[in-house]
Amino acid sequence: DAGVIQSPRHEVTEMGQEVTLRCKPISGHNSLFWYRQTMMRGLELLIYFNNNVPIDDSGMPEDRFSAKMPNASFSTLKIQPSEPRDSAVYFCASSLLVVQGPWGQFFGPGTRLTVL
Amino acid sequence: AQSVTQLGSHVSVSEGALVLLRCNYSSSVPPYLFWYVQYPNQGLQLLLKYTTGATLVKGINGFEAEFKKSETSFHLTKPSAHMSDAAEYFCALNRDDKIIFGKGTRLHILP
Repeated sequence: DAGVIQSPRHEVTEMGQEVTLRCKPISGHNSLFWYRQTMMRGLELLIYFNNNVPIDDSGMPEDRFSAKMPNASFSTLKIQPSEPRDSAVYFCASSLLVVQGPWGQFFGPGTRLTVL
Repeated sequence: AQSVTQLGSHVSVSEGALVLLRCNYSSSVPPYLFWYVQYPNQGLQLLLKYTTGATLVKGINGFEAEFKKSETSFHLTKPSAHMSDAAEYFCALNRDDKIIFGKGTRLHILP
């Protein structure tokens, strides 16, 4: 299995521009998570989906952030308009939730976003 | 409320020495516990997990952790540190469908 795939790996953009981050979860996983990691705030959960449905978006910073999961194999996180304080590493993770308990989340390599 | 506390944001050990990274948790229900490792410029990688059953859990790269309910702890150990173990380690607790991460402990290996 290729693992969780994220693109792009690096993104540099100017303030005010739209940014779209992409994620392909591990095939067969039914949950997908978007995280943001910064030195100041550590690892923050932004939103997660189960069976393509958003379950909890309470971690999304503000309306400039939106996430979609149109099918089981693809998700996007969009920032519009972007601001310098959005600079961070954004991780996508997927997992398989079963009755017996969690198997753990599997993380992608991350997208390093720099907003100038 | 469920939470995870990692003691020490930085830990330094000599190569060949014992590694001990501390994690305490708070949970009102039997917890599922995890340790993740993050190497520089990479995503988090699952080291090991405790769900039910045996309280001593073995993971990858020679790491293991012991679930101690009486101490609400899940410390991570490795008998002999290797330079390649230098990374950041996160203890985590499962809550519903989400995972609560600790703030991480950066492990430094001294030659």
